[in-house]
Amino acid sequence: DAGVTQSPTHLIKTRGQQVTLRCSPISGHKSVSWYQQVLGQGPQFIFQYYEKEERGRGNFPDRFSARQFPNYSSELNVNALLLGDSALYLCASSSGQMNTEAFFGQGTRLTVV
Amino acid sequence: DQQVKQNSPSLSVQEGRISILNCDYTNSMFDYFLWYKKYPAEGPTFLISISSIKDKNEDGRFTVFLNKSAKHLSLHIVPSQPGDSAVYFCAASRYDYKLSFGAGTTVTVRA
Repeated sequence: DAGVTQSPTHLIKTRGQQVTLRCSPISGHKSVSWYQQVLGQGPQFIFQYYEKEERGRGNFPDRFSARQFPNYSSELNVNALLLGDSALYLCASSSGQMNTEAFFGQGTRLTVV
Repeated sequence: DQQVKQNSPSLSVQEGRISILNCDYTNSMFDYFLWYKKYPAEGPTFLISISSIKDKNEDGRFTVFLNKSAKHLSLHIVPSQPGDSAVYFCAASRYDYKLSFGAGTTVTVRA
């Protein structure tokens, strides 16, 4: 079975641009969460979607948005990119909404120059 | 604020010996705890979890201990193997979806 897949794996953007990151969860998983990992820190929660509805949002500015599609895949959008948005963006899928193991993709490395 | 803390940034252990990784948390509402392992250029891989109603969970070489009164959990790896060299993250959730992660501990297993 395929695990969580994310695309692209690497991305370089210029300050002020917009970026869209994509995630396909494990087959049968209805929950997708997004995390940002800055070098030297643990992943920080950005969003969770369950059954195509936003169920939670972390402490990130409105420049960050996401959505989940009927096939449970998801997109994370970041507008007006800042240098500080450079990070590894991780997508995680899980079978349930809470207290279940989350399985992560390999991440998208975003560099803002 | 950092609700999950891993105070040891690194740990070096000889192959075959026990690795003990520690994690402290401040939010008493956390009720589910997980450990992840991460290799460079890969996403975190789930290792083991424990519910707050238990104090121990074992899976092969990995055992997680939970001390709720101390708000402390630990991961024991016995015996340590070279492939265990990675960054280990402790994570916690509060009967919901959001995982709060520690900053990670880099484990190096020496031959």
